[in-house]
Amino acid sequence: DTGVSQNPRHKITKRGQNVTFRCDPISEHNRLYWYRQTLGQGPEFLTYFQNEAQLEKSRLLSDRFSAERPKGSFSTLEIQRTEQGDSAMYLCASSQNDGSNQPQHFGDGTRLSIL
Amino acid sequence: AQTVTQSQPEMSVQEAETVTLSCTYDTSESDYYLFWYKQPPSRQMILVIRQEAYKQQNATENRFSVNFQKAAKSFSLKISDSQLGDAAMYFCAYRSGMNYGGSQGNLIFGKGTKLSVKP
Repeated sequence: DTGVSQNPRHKITKRGQNVTFRCDPISEHNRLYWYRQTLGQGPEFLTYFQNEAQLEKSRLLSDRFSAERPKGSFSTLEIQRTEQGDSAMYLCASSQNDGSNQPQHFGDGTRLSIL
Repeated sequence: AQTVTQSQPEMSVQEAETVTLSCTYDTSESDYYLFWYKQPPSRQMILVIRQEAYKQQNATENRFSVNFQKAAKSFSLKISDSQLGDAAMYFCAYRSGMNYGGSQGNLIFGKGTKLSVKP
């Protein structure tokens, strides 16, 4: 069990650029979640996948945000035309959905800074 | 909609002493789970302790225990024999029961409590 891995750890970019983050979940986990955490706040749910299916995306912050999990393994979160307000920590978590109370395991996050 | 409230932005405790972090939540659901997560500075968020709402017995994990008051919708975390390594942000989180309307299973977090431990 190597844990949830997120890349890159830090991303600095200019406003208007597109960015993509990657998350590799724990291998046997079928659920994958994306959260956003701004300074002084708890994480805020964005979207999640059950295997390769994206079952909830209405909580994505705008149509500039999109996520994929093409083969049910790793996932990517893309932000197009970044804005100052997108600066935050983006967290990925995974869990095994077996009907019991399996906890979510979090990655280290990707910190996005918009210049 | 469910909400989680942590009313203590910061707390401080002396090493080896006991501290209690408060959390209240609001829900109309009967089946749910509650969690405390710890987030050290610039480090990964890790699970400290979890509680199933249907269980009356309070969860314990070594030096960590909870006081779950379902009627009052309160879920406090007690840390005994505090250690320097306990210094971190602590988040209380709620999750709908997995059998509740096809729950998504996402966590709803409070704003967190920053715990400092004094040597």
